[in-house]
Amino acid sequence: NAGVTQTPKFRILKIGQSMTLQCTQDMNHNYMYWYRQDPGMGLKLIYYSVGAGITDKGEVPNGYNVSRSTTEDFPLRLELAAPSQTSVYFCASSLGTSGTDTQYFGPGTRLTVL
Amino acid sequence: GIQVEQSPPDLILQEGANSTLRCNFSDSVNNLQWFHQNPWGQLINLFYIPSGTKQNGRLSATTVATERYSLLYISSSQTTDSGVYFCAVGDYYGGSQGNLIFGKGTKLSVKP
Repeated sequence: NAGVTQTPKFRILKIGQSMTLQCTQDMNHNYMYWYRQDPGMGLKLIYYSVGAGITDKGEVPNGYNVSRSTTEDFPLRLELAAPSQTSVYFCASSLGTSGTDTQYFGPGTRLTVL
Repeated sequence: GIQVEQSPPDLILQEGANSTLRCNFSDSVNNLQWFHQNPWGQLINLFYIPSGTKQNGRLSATTVATERYSLLYISSSQTTDSGVYFCAVGDYYGGSQGNLIFGKGTKLSVKP
């Protein structure tokens, strides 16, 4: 199993550009999450999904959108990039039916908005 | 929401030393995990431990849920233990669907 994979690893965007961060897991997990990590800080939840077709906002959803059309994929969309979105983005997944389960993280995407 | 505080924020050890990292949380939790973020940024899950004690090699963790804290023990530290250790908890009262709330981490540096 590859686990949780993310692409791209690095990206530089100009203000106002759009992009999609890709996340795929091959563990047949129900739950998937997107977090962001700002320098020197812990992670904060952006969006999560409890299954295909179901998504919900986390702590810091503004400026982002998600979709979950399959169990495996959970892309994160930035529509109008802003410097405040410069961060490292982590995707995670967990099996549990209630979410009280181990979360497995991808390697992250480092995004810079100039 | 739940507050998560980790201490100490920074820790410098000589190789071979032991250490204890602490995580305090402000409310009941149904999920607690310890992660190691290595110098390359990768997050590695160390323990899933909402209560009780677990051990894995030189690492062990104890969570006392009734007193709202968890401890991570590192024995005989090695330079490869360097990085940031995060404690993350899940909200007990539902609605969060497993969302983890992270502390700010303990940055560990192990010197040879």
